[in-house]
Amino acid sequence: ETGVTQSPTHLIKTRGQQVTLRCSSQSGHNTVSWYQQALGQGPQFIFQYYREEENGRGNFPPRFSGLQFPNYSSELNVNALELDDSALYLCASSLLALAYNEQFFGPGTRLTVL
Amino acid sequence: GENVEQHPSTLSVQEGDSAVIKCTYSDSASNYFPWYKQELGKGPQLIIDIRSNVGEKKDQRIAVTLNKTAKHFSLHITETQPEDSAVYFCAASGDKLIFGTGTRLQVFP
Repeated sequence: ETGVTQSPTHLIKTRGQQVTLRCSSQSGHNTVSWYQQALGQGPQFIFQYYREEENGRGNFPPRFSGLQFPNYSSELNVNALELDDSALYLCASSLLALAYNEQFFGPGTRLTVL
Repeated sequence: GENVEQHPSTLSVQEGDSAVIKCTYSDSASNYFPWYKQELGKGPQLIIDIRSNVGEKKDQRIAVTLNKTAKHFSLHITETQPEDSAVYFCAASGDKLIFGTGTRLQVFP
């Protein structure tokens, strides 16, 4: 069974730029959720994708957008980067058919905005 | 809005002692309560979870209790070992997963 993978592991961007982060789901999972984890904080829910459609969103502005592909892999796109976007970005995969939201996390992408 | 409070923020124990971390949630619709362990430079790892129709669950040295009336749930680690040192997060899930602020556990040999 293959776990959740993310790429790249680290990324440095400047304010105003755009970034794309990638995630491959755990084998057999059909749902991907994205989280932002600031230093010393718990993960904050950005949004979830199920069968290529957004299936719930947290309190993040529209410049945070995502995609899910037919193979259930996913991308997180952030436009017009701000300094406060510096964080660890985590994706988690799950099987939405289950009644409970058991999620398995990848190692994360560390984004630094200068 | 939905909120999960977690205490303490840091916890230091001697190897072999027990550690207890407590969380309180606000959304009465929450029905799933996982606990995650996060080591430096890694993503959160699910260590145990409990569902709303169960009051207690145990897995070797780890146990979790849930009081739905009081909206409290707790993680208990017995016979702690140095490799238990990490940051632990509780979370509560209704339609989305809401995390606590984390507890840094240090186990001293």
